[in-house]
Amino acid sequence: GDSVTQMEGPVTLSEEAFLTINCTYTATGYPSLFWYVQYPGEGLQLLLKATKADDKGSNKGFEATYRKETTSFHLEKGSVQVSDSAVYFCALTGGGGTSYGKLTFGQGTILTVHP
Amino acid sequence: GAVVSQHPSRVICKSGTSVKIECRSLDFQATTMFWYRQFPKQSLMLMATSNEGSKATYEQGVEKDKFLINHASLTLSTLTVTSAHPEDSSFYICSARDAEAQGAKNEQYFGPGTRLTVT
Repeated sequence: GDSVTQMEGPVTLSEEAFLTINCTYTATGYPSLFWYVQYPGEGLQLLLKATKADDKGSNKGFEATYRKETTSFHLEKGSVQVSDSAVYFCALTGGGGTSYGKLTFGQGTILTVHP
Repeated sequence: GAVVSQHPSRVICKSGTSVKIECRSLDFQATTMFWYRQFPKQSLMLMATSNEGSKATYEQGVEKDKFLINHASLTLSTLTVTSAHPEDSSFYICSARDAEAQGAKNEQYFGPGTRLTVT
């Protein structure tokens, strides 16, 4: 079945550092890929998505590119802020360009950014 | 917009009792809601898909008689953990899909989760 593997956390960075959170997946067909973020005490929010190979999702300075050849969807940000401290989840759903189907999540990566 | 609430946020119950968790879409109608379970330092695991007006669809390995799901209206789904045991202690998260959204806006919106502790 489908699966998502994220890099082990927690990740601790200083403000303005470069961030990479690795995500690889296994899936049949052509999945859509997502990054969700969960801030303390809040629900998951969609951060960005990509629906086909070579698509780049971006939002709030975060980017991730759908790499079919390496089955990866790594999350990057050039300069993190303290307010980016949260748990980040990589996820996929098969078929279509929406998240309406069943989501398969990675285990989540805790990011802490210090001033 | 697109806010999903859960109640309660935390609950502690004794072994053998039942606990009901509510998931509400506050500003949109949701024909489909999803229930997830999350163990510490593990990913979210889909338990079931809840469809308004029909029976829920459970994932393999999830006991439907243990985890009762009711989706009686377009804004409310409930998960009842029956005869709870300590191994049912977990973080339960729901999500809802906007029934009126079209195409790429048909996203899932997540609730803040409910921490269940069974003693």
